[in-house]
Amino acid sequence: GNSVTQMEGPVTLSEEAFLTINCTYTATGYPSLFWYVQYPGEGLQLLLKATKADDKGSNKGFEATYRKETTSFHLEKGSVQVSDSAVYFCALRKGGADGLTFGKGTHLIIQP
Amino acid sequence: EAGVTQSPTHLIKTRGQQATLRCSPISGHTSVYWYQQALGLGLQFLLWYDEGEERNRGNFPPRFSGRQFPNYSSELNVNALELEDSALYLCASSRLGGTDTGELFFGEGSRLTVL
Repeated sequence: GNSVTQMEGPVTLSEEAFLTINCTYTATGYPSLFWYVQYPGEGLQLLLKATKADDKGSNKGFEATYRKETTSFHLEKGSVQVSDSAVYFCALRKGGADGLTFGKGTHLIIQP
Repeated sequence: EAGVTQSPTHLIKTRGQQATLRCSPISGHTSVYWYQQALGLGLQFLLWYDEGEERNRGNFPPRFSGRQFPNYSSELNVNALELEDSALYLCASSRLGGTDTGELFFGEGSRLTVL
C-alpha cells in the first residue's frame, strides 16, 4: 500500500537558519504530493503541492520538488522565522479510497 | 467562500457516552473525509463519504459511524466512548472523491475529551 516517511523531530533551529525536512514515499504510479502545516490549536492548512515528477511547489518561502527517481518530496526554506514554528505533514494522494496518506508529522521549533 | 466548518469546537464527555461531531464541506464539494488525530499517533483515516454513501472506513471499531446528508454535510458518531477516543477529529472535503488527486481542505477540528 501507500506510505509516507518523514523525520519526526522535534527539529529545533535558530531564526534565519536553513530548513530541510525530509519526506520519502512509497506508491505505485504517480501520486500527487503535498505539504500541510498545522499551527498550535488549529486544523491543517495546505502549504504547497506538486502533481507530477519534477514539479516544484512553493509558497511563503517554502519549496519542495517532486523527485520520482528518489521518491522524495523534501521541504526546504532558506531562512526560517519564529512564526514558522508548527507541525509539518507530508502527504500523498493517489485517487484512492482513503483520501490522503500522511507521514507522522515533523514538529518544528524556531528559536529567536 | 466559506471553508470547511466543524462543530462543536470542543466537547467533553464521560466514558460510555455518545459523541456527535458535525462537518459542513466547502460548497460544491461532494466528498467528506474524517480523520482522528490522537496525541502521538499522527493522522488516522476514519471514514470517507461521497454522494451520501459511506465509501470506505479505516481500521476503527464499528462504534465509530457517521452519515452524509443530501446537502453533503456530515456527522461523525462515536458510541460507548472510551478514554482513548480523546483526540482532535478533523473533517476534510474534496471536490470529487475516488479518482480525484487534488488536495483536501480541512476544517479547524473538534477536540473531544473523554473523562
